[in-house]
Amino acid sequence: AQKITQTQPGMFVQEKEAVTLDCTYDTSDPSYGLFWYKQPSSGEMIFLIYQGSYDQQNATEGRYSLNFQKARKSANLVISASQLGDSAMYFCAMRERSNSGYALNFGKGTSLLVTP
Amino acid sequence: DAGITQSPRHKVTETGTPVTLRCHQTENHRYMYWYRQDPGHGLRLIHYSYGVKDTDKGEVSDGYSVSRSKTEDFLLTLESATSSQTSVYFCAISESAAPTNTEAFFGQGTRLTVV
Repeated sequence: AQKITQTQPGMFVQEKEAVTLDCTYDTSDPSYGLFWYKQPSSGEMIFLIYQGSYDQQNATEGRYSLNFQKARKSANLVISASQLGDSAMYFCAMRERSNSGYALNFGKGTSLLVTP
Repeated sequence: DAGITQSPRHKVTETGTPVTLRCHQTENHRYMYWYRQDPGHGLRLIHYSYGVKDTDKGEVSDGYSVSRSKTEDFLLTLESATSSQTSVYFCAISESAAPTNTEAFFGQGTRLTVV
């Protein structure tokens, strides 16, 4: 079964607008971590933001925030004031104790295009 | 930036030949991972290592083997390359296995084409 689901293969947003990228996850482990990575066209994987399952507050990192709804098992990434450089693939990932070697489990990604 | 280097960055090889990809880290992190990335699949775990000579299989390990004789090096070998192994391969490292605020750092990726 898919552990991480990203239902939006592609998204468009206008420059300076906010955009939400959806991510839902499946786990029975009470302790887990949720991560978002950005992959620009150059191919590297860039860590953006982290949310722990026990964290009481939503994580924020600059223009990135994570809308964590534990009961719904969702961890949506919100990018405020989009910039052209935000155009990239975005991956949601989860780490839990039952994963092989605590490896990150990735979703299939969402391609974001920011338009002028 | 985390010190993690993959080599080669690009490789074209023929079906049936063995291929070895190298991941080298200078961070002294315990955990190392090999992923493959294919369109529509995200990143999938091939093998991982939790210490020198300690390795195990991931989700898509068939046709691959790994070795880790030193903390800093994690080798991925395609024993007999097939066209289905054409992919982009990423190495990742992680300091701690605890699922707390420990992100994985990724190498630049290796684009492998099997013809």
